[in-house]
Amino acid sequence: NAGVTQTPKFQVLKTGQSMTLQCAQDMNHEYMSWYRQDPGMGLRLIHYSVGAGITDQGEVPNGYNVSRSTTEDFPLRLLSAAPSQTSVYFCASSTHRAYNSPLHFGNGTRLTVT
Amino acid sequence: ILNVEQSPQSLHVQEGDSTNFTCSFPSSNFYALHWYRWETAKSPEALFVMTLNGDEKKKGRISATLNTKEGYSYLYIKGSQPEDSATYLCAFRGSGNTGKLIFGQGTTLQVKP
Repeated sequence: NAGVTQTPKFQVLKTGQSMTLQCAQDMNHEYMSWYRQDPGMGLRLIHYSVGAGITDQGEVPNGYNVSRSTTEDFPLRLLSAAPSQTSVYFCASSTHRAYNSPLHFGNGTRLTVT
Repeated sequence: ILNVEQSPQSLHVQEGDSTNFTCSFPSSNFYALHWYRWETAKSPEALFVMTLNGDEKKKGRISATLNTKEGYSYLYIKGSQPEDSATYLCAFRGSGNTGKLIFGQGTTLQVKP
């Protein structure tokens, strides 16, 4: 059982480049979300989705786009990378809109923007 | 803006000590409070999800309590072991139709043998 799979594990971008961080889950979870982790700031919610075709903004959505065309996949797009987006990104999923079910996390993507 | 705060930010204890951390969250529009354990170079793993005022959860030597009326939760570790060294995160879920789960900044625990 793969759980939540994130690719790539590491990525280096130059300022202005675009890229997509991939996230897939095989648990048929309705809820999926993206967080970024920066030193001293815990996990901050970027975007989330409560089901296919539905997405919404989190705490720090600027500079990122998401889509949810299938239940399994929730890609995160950086349209024009900036050094401030250097971070570790975690995708997480859950049943029941994270009401009373825990999040299952992927292994993270470490992104560096130079 | 939802404010979820954890204290202390870091904690150093000796093996065998018992310890506790605090998570503070908005006392209005509460739905659920999550606790996660996050070891270095790994992903966060769920410990507890608590939804009812007065809830107490236990998993081995780790337990948690919840007070939704005053907006706080305590996480206790009894007889800390070096393998308990990790960052402990809480996350707040408010009521309503949004799916935002907002994390605190975490408490980093270091247990010395």
